[in-house]
Amino acid sequence: AQKVTQVQTEISVVEKEDVTLDCVYETRDTTYYLFWYKQPPSGELVFLIRRNSFDEQNEISGRYSWNFQKSTSSFNFTITASQVVDSAVYFCALNQSNYQLIWGAGTKLIIKP
Amino acid sequence: DAGITQSPRHKVTETGTPVTLRCHQTENHRYMYWYRQDPGHGLRLIHYSYGVKDTDKGEVSDGYSVSRSKTEDFLLTLESATSSQTSVYFCAISGGDSYNEQFFGPGTRLTVL
Repeated sequence: AQKVTQVQTEISVVEKEDVTLDCVYETRDTTYYLFWYKQPPSGELVFLIRRNSFDEQNEISGRYSWNFQKSTSSFNFTITASQVVDSAVYFCALNQSNYQLIWGAGTKLIIKP
Repeated sequence: DAGITQSPRHKVTETGTPVTLRCHQTENHRYMYWYRQDPGHGLRLIHYSYGVKDTDKGEVSDGYSVSRSKTEDFLLTLESATSSQTSVYFCAISGGDSYNEQFFGPGTRLTVL
């Protein structure tokens, strides 16, 4: 069965701290894609990154970085020097071959000033 | 931003009435999706479309039907709305192959009294 587990339901940190959101997935397929989305308090869903199962290189985009490890079936997301604007619910998702995304339940990130 | 609009953005209706939500895209993307988002459940797929007149059921399709007569429009119909269908509904689109990232519309908040 395919499944995505977001380990933390809610994380609260003080601004400028680094924070990591953990995502663990289950799949029997060798070809799959992993995604992260952000949902700020305004409610829209914003695509952040897509990673395929054959590319284990870490990705960095500004203060955001992603660590993909097939050996532990994890695709973790780190925000460096967090800012209040990073406060949102973050979703991890898995896509296989049938058009459907399997979504994690989300991690609510609260950044305190 | 991907050109996706949803209408209406908010709707209050009564139990037993039919409701149609519209998703319109200007990206000419092949794939379109309808999700519902409820607290504690994350995003759940209702129906999706992989082309004009080509649709299939998702995880929570009971009580919902869809139609896609044009590439740009994907309609979601609640034949007889129930209180359990109170939710936020998101439309999403993706192009290329089915592994591509999905881009989301702004959402429709539906309340069934």
